[in-house]
Amino acid sequence: NAGVTQTPKFQVLKTGQSMTLQCAQDMNHEYMSWYRQDPGMGLRLIHYSVGAGITDQGEVPNGYNVSRSTTEDFPLRLLSAAPSQTSVYFCASSYLTGGFTEAFFGQGTRLTVV
Amino acid sequence: AQKITQTQPGMFVQEKEAVTLDCTYDTSDQSYGLFWYKQPSSGEMIFLIYQGSYDEQNATEGRYSLNFQKARKSANLVISASQLGDSAMYFCAMRGGNKLVFGAGTILRVKS
Repeated sequence: NAGVTQTPKFQVLKTGQSMTLQCAQDMNHEYMSWYRQDPGMGLRLIHYSVGAGITDQGEVPNGYNVSRSTTEDFPLRLLSAAPSQTSVYFCASSYLTGGFTEAFFGQGTRLTVV
Repeated sequence: AQKITQTQPGMFVQEKEAVTLDCTYDTSDQSYGLFWYKQPSSGEMIFLIYQGSYDEQNATEGRYSLNFQKARKSANLVISASQLGDSAMYFCAMRGGNKLVFGAGTILRVKS
């Protein structure tokens, strides 16, 4: 059971560079989301999606883009990396229908922008 | 807008004792779900327990129970008989509509 797979696990970027964090799930979940975790601030929602072709902004969307072309994949793009985007990023997925269900998380990506 | 507040940045508990981690929430939704997750030092997110807004009984999962007080908008996590392995960060989260939002977390340290 792969669950939610995030790649890469670690990444160092220079200011101004762009990159894509990959997230894939094999549970046929409708809901996928990206969070960033910073000390003392918990997990903050960046973007989320309720199905292929549908995305919406979370609490801290600036500097990030997402798309959802398939049910399985939900990549997060950093357009022009800034030191303020140094963080640990988590992808999560869950069912939406049939009541509330737990979210399954990837292992996280530790991103450092220098 | 939904908001989760965890007012305890850190907590200590003696091994084998019970501990309560506080969580209050704010939402205008009538239907919502409340979750607790554990994050050990290794970093993964582990689901612990869930409570639906229409559930009349408090949720329990082994040593974990959720003290749900709807009128006060609180959803405290109670861990009974603490173990050293319970030392971790604990997050309260709420799903309302399509968003799942988290609090800032509480670091729990279990002392032997």
